[in-house]
Amino acid sequence: DTAVSQTPKYLVTQMGNDKSIKCEQNLGHDTMYWYKQDSKKFLKIMFSYNNKELIINETVPNRFSPKSPDKAHLNLHINSLELGDSAVYFCASRKRTGTGTSYEQYFGPGTRLTVT
Amino acid sequence: QQQVKQSPQSLIVQKGGISIINCAYENTAFDYFPWYQQFPGKGPALLIAIRPDVSEKKEGRFTISFNKSAKQFSLHIMDSQPGDSATYFCAARGGRDDKIIFGKGTRLHILP
Repeated sequence: DTAVSQTPKYLVTQMGNDKSIKCEQNLGHDTMYWYKQDSKKFLKIMFSYNNKELIINETVPNRFSPKSPDKAHLNLHINSLELGDSAVYFCASRKRTGTGTSYEQYFGPGTRLTVT
Repeated sequence: QQQVKQSPQSLIVQKGGISIINCAYENTAFDYFPWYQQFPGKGPALLIAIRPDVSEKKEGRFTISFNKSAKQFSLHIMDSQPGDSATYFCAARGGRDDKIIFGKGTRLHILP
């Protein structure tokens, strides 16, 4: 039943490691996003993919690499993790084209990343 | 021009009272103004949204007031309940790309 799911929910790792966060949506949406929410709750977009094509790439270090194997999945891989990467990462999706287009974005439950 | 400024940062309201959160924007290309509600440990969820051709939208106890000339919009929660305690984000979308720009959030606490 879960519309947008993320794994893992919590991720604790050491500086310098490489980690991935996975996102899946079963809403039939064609556009997916990654957001970062910092300790002050500020939400900022990082990436957006439409039909597996990158359409938004904010000023994010190139240690962050999104990958979209298909429309329903958008994964985030982070290389050489730094302390400042600690945050909650949210995946979201929406229907951007075709029938049922809406500006509404549906968010996943978040992945809390802690870098020690 | 891409900012959305939100106030207050935190708000405490008595049960049954009216909660009011304000936002202001600069970019006149914005064409969609949603409010998201976020409970601790959860992702944001759309609460209510408005387009700039409408001055007010009401859904149950939640109302958005929109002032296009002043480039301001606000969320009013009538008869506030303890279950409304959450963080609220105003946002705006539009311009060249598909981005939604979020305000910094308001932590609302409703006293029982």
